[in-house]
Amino acid sequence: DTEVTQTPKHLVMGMTNKKSLKCEQHMGHRAMYWYKQKAKKPPELMFVYSYEKLSINESVPSRFSPECPNSSLLNLHLHALQPEDSALYLCASSHLGEGNGYTFGSGTRLTVV
Amino acid sequence: AQSVTQLDSQVPVFEEAPVELRCNYSSSVSVYLFWYVQYPNQGLQLLLKYLSGSTLVKGINGFEAEFNKSQTSFHLRKPSVHISDTAEYFCAVSETGGFKTIFGAGTRLFVKA
Repeated sequence: DTEVTQTPKHLVMGMTNKKSLKCEQHMGHRAMYWYKQKAKKPPELMFVYSYEKLSINESVPSRFSPECPNSSLLNLHLHALQPEDSALYLCASSHLGEGNGYTFGSGTRLTVV
Repeated sequence: AQSVTQLDSQVPVFEEAPVELRCNYSSSVSVYLFWYVQYPNQGLQLLLKYLSGSTLVKGINGFEAEFNKSQTSFHLRKPSVHISDTAEYFCAVSETGGFKTIFGAGTRLFVKA
């Protein structure tokens, strides 16, 4: 299995809703990442987990709450989002160690109304 | 801190012609360099990476890139492009010993028949 699977593929939510994005990989990767990508822009790093522990939080607003329940799963919990949070949310994973490229999922297209 | 500059936002080219997508980076420490491709409505896929050693790196889909330390460049090339190569291409850099990968703004390659 060489894939990162993200669900759902599309999500529309209101500003008062609570929703979660899910990411799963079975490649034995011990580093997992959340990126946010706006239209026609590069991906921007949000969070990095290594060995299921949060290693990097790029000053992301608290309305985004990551969770890594085990080595294969990564969640992103969403609450009270703003319309400007609408974007493609990409999950990626990699082996730990230097110079390892990432395997990306196809992303969740999030629209906040 | 490191940064990545992709010198062309769009590159139109005819099918079967050669192409070069330019990338320059800046860092005060040693780095690893990557090229990723993103097809519409998909995540990113690793094309190739430079860690050390030979400065010419071959990747998937017939792409190759050359690392030039003196010019701090990592340009991507393909001798003959296909319609299916139409996509967004991102150059990326990560510092040795670091977790973060920083992406350039992207170059849209448009292959015309």
